[in-house]
Amino acid sequence: KQEVTQIPAALSVPEGENLVLNCSFTDSAIYNLQWFRQDPGKGLTSLLLIQSSQREQTSGRLNASLDKSSGRSTLYIAASQPGDSATYLCAVTAGGTSYGKLTFGQGTILTVHP
Amino acid sequence: NAGVMQNPRHLVRRRGQEARLRCSPMKGHSHVYWYRQLPEEGLKFMVYLQKENIIDESGMPKERFSAEFPKEGPSILRIQQVVRGDSAAYFCASSPVAANTGELFFGEGSRLTVL
Repeated sequence: KQEVTQIPAALSVPEGENLVLNCSFTDSAIYNLQWFRQDPGKGLTSLLLIQSSQREQTSGRLNASLDKSSGRSTLYIAASQPGDSATYLCAVTAGGTSYGKLTFGQGTILTVHP
Repeated sequence: NAGVMQNPRHLVRRRGQEARLRCSPMKGHSHVYWYRQLPEEGLKFMVYLQKENIIDESGMPKERFSAEFPKEGPSILRIQQVVRGDSAAYFCASSPVAANTGELFFGEGSRLTVL
């Protein structure tokens, strides 16, 4: 059974810092890995999607890497801003399927203070 | 192109009542997924539907819960005889017909409170 763990559970940083969020998964046979952002009381916004054959994806100040063999992914946020404050979720899709049965981590609650 | 639309956004029910949550996928999407986020827990997969078919309901509780996605109209998640433990945020997601990338688009969620 796939399990996804995110570390740290919470992170508080001053504005401008570069930071790394970690995600690990127990079964390396994944189809893809997604990072989402969730604001309080809101839905999920997809940030980055990495296919199993890829090593990383970048979007603006965000960079996500994937090491499938070791079951790890990191989300790097450069020059953090207060508007980045949210819960960040990592989710994987099982290998052998292309449909959206995601296994989520518990999330990292990020607070960026001015 | 509107995103995934869920309603109601908030629903309050007393124990024993029924809750109906609706989800309209993004235009052009024919795959719908329901997820549940219990307080202090992560999101858990419940059910995957295509038009008029349930593809995977392995995450759905065996009793009181049902889901449908009719040919016309939104997908509906129905919870009969609600209990306090059903209080949660229920999220719907959709993907295109050819979801080769596996990317999902989520709605804002329906927050159910059972008194």
